[in-house]
Amino acid sequence: DQQVKQNSPSLSVQEGRISILNCDYTNSMFDYFLWYKKYPAEGPTFLISISSIKDKNEDGRFTVFLNKSAKHLSLHIVPSQPGDSAVYFCAASGGNQGGKLIFGQGTELSVKP
Amino acid sequence: GAGVSQTPSNKVTEKGKYVELRCDPISGHTALYWYRQSLGQGPEFLIYFQGTGAADDSGLPNDRFFAVRPEGSVSTLKIQRTERGDSAVYLCASSTAGGPTYTDTQYFGPGTRLTVL
Repeated sequence: DQQVKQNSPSLSVQEGRISILNCDYTNSMFDYFLWYKKYPAEGPTFLISISSIKDKNEDGRFTVFLNKSAKHLSLHIVPSQPGDSAVYFCAASGGNQGGKLIFGQGTELSVKP
Repeated sequence: GAGVSQTPSNKVTEKGKYVELRCDPISGHTALYWYRQSLGQGPEFLIYFQGTGAADDSGLPNDRFFAVRPEGSVSTLKIQRTERGDSAVYLCASSTAGGPTYTDTQYFGPGTRLTVL
């Protein structure tokens, strides 16, 4: 069973606009969530995280929102830049899963100049 | 400082052969993780080491897969009698502590692309 789901395999956005990437999870025991960014032929790079005691965390152009009741998180990138074009993975950990990360399938973001 | 390194970057082998994949974590990181990423999927957990011991090997798909970390630093993932379905990118990550302090960021290496013909 897929505990973390990213239902949009791809997203295309114009440079300067907002990118919104979505992620849903099913395990209510998860209490730590992360977003990773991946370029081709490279490993995932940590982007931003959020603990379940918060509903928002912001770092520069990147903001993650967590809605625990809906078991949903989203990553907002404002303004989007062409260099943001990559595959974005959300991941969850904690509870009965311990320290291992459970990843979604990824969303490929394309930011067009 | 140096990040997580993995060797080889690419490995092509024939069905039935044995392969070893190596991971050098960030110096001082006690926690080390192996993940496998198949095409179009996110990374999937295989095994986690805290120091020299495997703290969680629940993700290893079967007994053909084995991993060691004898001195608490470098780790080797070993796959016996490889099958075509083992073809994937094998990722290694390390973090400062891991375990109960799972909020420590996991830093990933570039991965080893394994192709089983």
